[in-house]
Amino acid sequence: LAKTTQPISMDSYEGQEVNITCSHNNIATNDYITWYQQFPSQGPRFIIQGYKTKVTNEVASLFIPADRKSSTLSLPRVSLSDTAVYYCLVGFSGGYNKLIFGAGTRLAVHP
Amino acid sequence: EPEVTQTPSHQVTQMGQEVILRCVPISNHLYFYWYRQILGQKVEFLVSFYNNEISEKSEIFDDQFSVERPDGSNFTLKIRSTKLEDSAMYFCASSGDTSLSSTDTQYFGPGTRLTVL
Repeated sequence: LAKTTQPISMDSYEGQEVNITCSHNNIATNDYITWYQQFPSQGPRFIIQGYKTKVTNEVASLFIPADRKSSTLSLPRVSLSDTAVYYCLVGFSGGYNKLIFGAGTRLAVHP
Repeated sequence: EPEVTQTPSHQVTQMGQEVILRCVPISNHLYFYWYRQILGQKVEFLVSFYNNEISEKSEIFDDQFSVERPDGSNFTLKIRSTKLEDSAMYFCASSGDTSLSSTDTQYFGPGTRLTVL
């Protein structure tokens, strides 16, 4: 499974756009990039998944450059409730495949 | 929206006792998982389960642990003789619908907080 590197923590303010970048230099051809969000004492929650270029849903956007060695999760206009830990995972997200979580990025949104 | 549910939300037990953590995965999902998260640490994979048998297990999942799908809806994790270091949040997850896509998302339950005294 590809190793991922992301910042340990980030700070932002309400209403700002937040971009969290994840490096995955040894991503395999068949790997997908998936982001999860976790609030304290809750289970991880799926945010978005992509393979290449750009993916957008009602919550976030995921930007993946052509070489796929990194990806950026973009959260538009964050609110206090977006304060959480965000995990970047690379590989198959489903089927029989386990998820390998790193330490994630702890995002703190301030008033 | 369908969701994974887990009971109990909090379980307190004495060291050496057996505990059973229960999960109801999303109906029509085919793959089931248990993960744990010790306070302040990473989420760790324990075991995956498909077609009524274990697909993969981690080194954490030793002989003290077992999983079962006793009926068509429940998925359980049993710890036979709990140790202090088993204290953690235990998350159940499920994925996979009838299309069996390799990109099926894993959906997590809210977790059971296990406290071993």
